[in-house]
Amino acid sequence: ETGVTQTPRHLVMGMTNKKSLKCEQHLGHNAMYWYKQSAKKPLELMFVYNFKEQTENNSVPSRFSPECPNSSHLFLHLHTLQPEDSALYLCASSQGTSGGAEDTQYFGPGTRLTVL
Amino acid sequence: EDQVTQSPEALRLQEGESSSLNCSYTVSGLRGLFWYRQDPGKGPEFLFTLYSAGEEKEKERLKATLTKKESFLHITAPKPEDSATYLCAVQDLNNFNKFYFGSGTKLNVKP
Repeated sequence: ETGVTQTPRHLVMGMTNKKSLKCEQHLGHNAMYWYKQSAKKPLELMFVYNFKEQTENNSVPSRFSPECPNSSHLFLHLHTLQPEDSALYLCASSQGTSGGAEDTQYFGPGTRLTVL
Repeated sequence: EDQVTQSPEALRLQEGESSSLNCSYTVSGLRGLFWYRQDPGKGPEFLFTLYSAGEEKEKERLKATLTKKESFLHITAPKPEDSATYLCAVQDLNNFNKFYFGSGTKLNVKP
């Protein structure tokens, strides 16, 4: 595997379900990100992790719970979601977040989430 | 409020017809401006980073430029394979963890 991978690619869940999205990066990067992409709207930054530590939480509802066990893996745990949470969830990684070229983000293919 | 606006929302070109996409921003401080290409069903693919006004970067038929308030992505003699949504994003000078994206320009190049 190369680059940034995400599983599953598609997920349909009910509002009472609990599910998790997984992201893995094979680039040796130290920072990882979760974004939400809804139709006709800009990508919304949700969470940022640097060296496994959360450094940004963009006022995301608590029904979204991130987990970063190491610099290569990032999870997004989902529970009691709403239909308006249906979107493409993108994971990205970068070498760092120090304000230079290493901040360039590389994205995975995303997980298409549908909440019924 | 920090904001990134892209125009036009959609653009249809004939093959070989050059044009430009615009990204304007109103962030309090800009550390870097990024251009990405996104194909349907895929994640954004990195194209360029620009850091200061006057800077230009080129890659094949694409050239990105930056001023103090906006960036342009110039597409010279486009081909159908250039069809995609082009996204721009700015990195906050005051918080390198924050990135603001525009809604994108959907480009369709017809043969």
